Amino acid sequence: GENVEQHPSTLSVQEGDSAVIKCTYSDSASNYFPWYKQELGKGPQLIIDIRSNVGEKKDQRIAVTLNKTAKHFSLHITETQPEDSAVYFCAARPSGAGSYQLTFGKGTKLSVIP
Amino acid sequence: DGGITQSPKYLFRKEGQNVTLSCEQNLNHDAMYWYRQDPGQGLRLIYYSQIVNDFQKGDIAEGYSVSREKKESFPLTVTSAQKNPTAFYLCASNMGQYPSGNQPQHFGDGTRLSIL
Repeated sequence: GENVEQHPSTLSVQEGDSAVIKCTYSDSASNYFPWYKQELGKGPQLIIDIRSNVGEKKDQRIAVTLNKTAKHFSLHITETQPEDSAVYFCAARPSGAGSYQLTFGKGTKLSVIP
Repeated sequence: DGGITQSPKYLFRKEGQNVTLSCEQNLNHDAMYWYRQDPGQGLRLIYYSQIVNDFQKGDIAEGYSVSREKKESFPLTVTSAQKNPTAFYLCASNMGQYPSGNQPQHFGDGTRLSIL
């Protein structure tokens, strides 16, 4: 089955700096890669996702890049703000019939220092 | 507003007791999921359902049971057979995978279950 590794587990940045979180996946058949943000006591919220036919996707201060050859994808947050502080999860899902499951990384706790 | 409602927000279980967590969605989504989250861990899939009256085991189904009698509801029962039930439980839903292709999962705000 799929295995997703996420690094780093914790990340502290100064307000205004950029933050990068990286994930690697094991199943080359995976074709969908969402990123979630989870605030304390809340459920995860989808912030951006990318499909395997796209190398990069951007939404304002957030971008995701995908390298299918190396089987890794990254979340980039620019001009970080204190409200970006949260736990971020990456996930991957294989293609094919019956592939409904998402496999999640273990999360990165991002702290943005004012 | 459309969304996923989980209740209760906090739940306590006594030894030998079964408890049921509620999940309701008004998004008209076909597929629903239950995840377990432990501190410092990612989300692990317990059960999922693609359509009414059908569901499949995820990676950690032992000690849990579900039903899907209505499209909008997917309750999870934590049975006494689950020896380590203390965790944060998350319900999610999406349009399903076929023929819609990859569709994002949307989550509720969870139920925190503790042992008395």
